[in-house]
Amino acid sequence: QVQLRESGPGLVKPSETLSLTCTVSGGSINSYYWTWIRQPPGKGLEWIGYIHYAGSTNYNPSLKSRATISVDTSKKQFSLELISVTAPDTAVYYCARSPRAEYFQDWGQGTPVTVSS
Amino acid sequence: DIQMTQSPSSVSASVGDRVTITCRASQAFGSWLSWYQQKPGKAPRLLIYEIFRLQSGVPSRFSGRGSGTEFTLTISSLQPEDFATYYCQQANSFPWTFGQGTKVEIK
Repeated sequence: QVQLRESGPGLVKPSETLSLTCTVSGGSINSYYWTWIRQPPGKGLEWIGYIHYAGSTNYNPSLKSRATISVDTSKKQFSLELISVTAPDTAVYYCARSPRAEYFQDWGQGTPVTVSS
Repeated sequence: DIQMTQSPSSVSASVGDRVTITCRASQAFGSWLSWYQQKPGKAPRLLIYEIFRLQSGVPSRFSGRGSGTEFTLTISSLQPEDFATYYCQQANSFPWTFGQGTKVEIK
């Protein structure tokens, strides 16, 4: 059974770059879509964007081009970079996998990120 | 962006009750409507995709239906493990968006 695990710093300073990695175990990284979703404290879910294992991407315009998602098939990892973070970027960040981009089948446990000086 | 509005925002129900959650979209779309269940401190879990397709391993008491701008998730007989928050999600028009959530609480 596939397992996804997010990793990265739990605290990021305002204006700096948030970098998260999702490591895949027990399953292939090929032939899937890999998505990042976040959830601010006490709030609902926000789709950040996805990457297909072959490299195509799509992002939420609300992030104003601050997000970049990449994949390293050799390491079975995919990553999120979010530049110029501010307090509203504080959230639990989830990675997810699915055979189609339109829904999110398998999820990581989530990693909390706080933006604060 | 397509806005997804769920109703009710919360519902109190008893074990064995039938519960229906509605998700209304700000504009009509096709078939990419999914439902997720989230328990406190846990990641969401996919229940239904493409309006009515049950994800593998999800009990058959969960069902989805709808078209156009109105979609529903029904739990036919509420079980103790179903008390959670439920989200709808559309993927017919970028950006993909979620409803605000419906919390199913114990009466």
